[in-house]
Amino acid sequence: DTAVSQTPKYLVTQMGNDKSIKCEQNLGHDTMYWYKQDSKKFLKIMFSYNNKELIINETVPNRFSPKSPDKAHLNLHINSLELGDSAVYFCASTPQTGRMNTEAFFGQGTRLTVV
Amino acid sequence: AQKITQTQPGMFVQEKEAVTLDCTYDTSDPSYGLFWYKQPSSGEMIFLIYQGSYDQQNATEGRYSLNFQKARKSANLVISASQLGDSAMYFCAMREIQGAQKLVFGQGTRLTINP
Repeated sequence: DTAVSQTPKYLVTQMGNDKSIKCEQNLGHDTMYWYKQDSKKFLKIMFSYNNKELIINETVPNRFSPKSPDKAHLNLHINSLELGDSAVYFCASTPQTGRMNTEAFFGQGTRLTVV
Repeated sequence: AQKITQTQPGMFVQEKEAVTLDCTYDTSDPSYGLFWYKQPSSGEMIFLIYQGSYDQQNATEGRYSLNFQKARKSANLVISASQLGDSAMYFCAMREIQGAQKLVFGQGTRLTINP
């Protein structure tokens, strides 16, 4: 069973389109994250939800909107896609905040290419 | 604000040799956790090892060990007896107990093991 799963794995779309990436975790974790990995492999946190509540919202264009229908799901919707949005997007989860020794479990990543 | 620095963009090592990947961090929080992840060419993020700021001993996990020097704010990853399959990107990351406890990553080091 996949612990953190993202769909789709690859996404190619044209500029200006709206797209969504879905993430689901079956680990019973309370906290979920979205990270963006750019072409230089740098991983930057975008959002974090704890029990469906937004707790981290980094400086991300408001074209990006996360949605958490329940604590096992965290989706990422992107409006009006731009070339600079091309990257690999990772979903991750951890058991709960307040515990330092809990690693984040990552999904396999979604490679988004905007043409 | 927390900050993680990996100063080695690339490392080349002969198979079976030991290798040390450097990581320094900056934080004003007395309680924090340090993590190392491996990202092979297939793209997934694999958790390797964890070190807590209050841990008295250096962490070890199989061939991985963490050389934690708290006063110098460094948390170097040591891989003993390197194998061809160790070729990958390696990321150091930190989480503070204060605030939203986000996991912040360094720039990464690309390790290549030569036969």
